[in-house]
Amino acid sequence: DAKTTQPTSMDCAEGRAANLPCNHSTISGNEYVYWYRQIHSQGPQYIIHGLKNNETNEMASLIITEDRKSSTLILPHATLRDTAVYYCIVINAGNMLTFGGGTRLMVKP
Amino acid sequence: DSGVTQTPKHLITATGQRVTLRCSPRSGDLSVYWYQQSLDQGLQFLIQYYNGEERAKGNILERFSAQQFPDLHSELNLSSLELGDSALYFCASGPGQGARDTQYFGPGTRLTVL
Repeated sequence: DAKTTQPTSMDCAEGRAANLPCNHSTISGNEYVYWYRQIHSQGPQYIIHGLKNNETNEMASLIITEDRKSSTLILPHATLRDTAVYYCIVINAGNMLTFGGGTRLMVKP
Repeated sequence: DSGVTQTPKHLITATGQRVTLRCSPRSGDLSVYWYQQSLDQGLQFLIQYYNGEERAKGNILERFSAQQFPDLHSELNLSSLELGDSALYFCASGPGQGARDTQYFGPGTRLTVL
């Protein structure tokens, strides 16, 4: 699986958009980008995934660059409950989820 | 609520002992995954079962074993416990075999080895 690089931590003001970047420059054509998050000591929670096209669901939007070497998770209106560690994971069909260090997002009032 | 249940929520035991952690997947999910999260190692994949059969193995120690029963619940057995086994243990379930299926995580079992 392609390795991912994420900032260790980020801050965001409540009500503003949180943009979490992920670099996956060695991604191959059949590998998907997945985002999970973990709110303090709870089980990780699936957020969104994509292959090439931008994706949106009720939780977030995923913007993948045209060359697929990086992506951005967007939480459009961050709330205090979005404070969590966000994991960007690149995976193909056969391999298991490999969680890296993630980005610790702190949403501040 | 993910629909995945894990018991017990907390477990405190002594070195050298053996414990069993239990996981019930979401209704309809055939895969169960086990993960260990310790402070120094992060979240690590241990093992996956699909419809009763072992499907994939990660960084699982030989002292650890798991199984999935006909009703699809799974148990993770940890034996000869060491202090370093203290961690949060999560199980997740998913509908299919591959990691590209969305995984739904349970609330975890916190194991403390004294």
